[in-house]
Amino acid sequence: NAGVTQTPKFQVLKTGQSMTLQCAQDMNHEYMSWYRQDPGMGLRLIHYSVGAGITDQGEVPNGYNVSRSTTEDFPLRLLSAAPSQTSVYFCASRAPGQGYGYTFGSGTRLTVV
Amino acid sequence: GQQVMQIPQYQHVQEGEDFTTYCNSSTTLSNIQWYKQRPGGHPVFLIQLVKSGEVKKQKRLTFQFGEAKKNSSLHITATQTTDVGTYFCAARYSGGYQKVTFGTGTKLQVIP
Repeated sequence: NAGVTQTPKFQVLKTGQSMTLQCAQDMNHEYMSWYRQDPGMGLRLIHYSVGAGITDQGEVPNGYNVSRSTTEDFPLRLLSAAPSQTSVYFCASRAPGQGYGYTFGSGTRLTVV
Repeated sequence: GQQVMQIPQYQHVQEGEDFTTYCNSSTTLSNIQWYKQRPGGHPVFLIQLVKSGEVKKQKRLTFQFGEAKKNSSLHITATQTTDVGTYFCAARYSGGYQKVTFGTGTKLQVIP
């Protein structure tokens, strides 16, 4: 049982490049979310999904796309990287219902130059 | 959008002293969760509070949910160096489905 697995752990991109951050969970969780963490700003929700085929926008969705073709995977795509997207990205999942907290992946540290 | 204010932003305490962080919302919450993030790590779920006035304890940690369900606190008794990290509250609003809004966090430093 690996929990939530994020790849890569570190990435440097040039402005304008695109890339996909991978997230996979093996706990059969329906709910998955992507957060970015910047100093002094806590965790801000980018996109989330309540099940395969269903996604919705969070607080800061611009410049990012997601899809949820399977329960296990929830990739985050950066369409055209900008320096403002330099951040630490966390994927999280949880089971539905009350009382369950999010299980977070170990994060991807992204630098856009 | 809905905001959750968390104070203080930073707290330095001597080992053995108590520590409290507060979370405040201008609107009523459905529930609130607390997470701990060690330096360089990822957030780890600690607890969820749902009922008005609810109090839960985990060893030296006491979590409270306000009567009006607009604020919450985390109190650590007799801090230890293992308590170092950033503590986040995460609020879920009624009708907010699965959107959880995180506070900005309180970074705790414990001086041995």
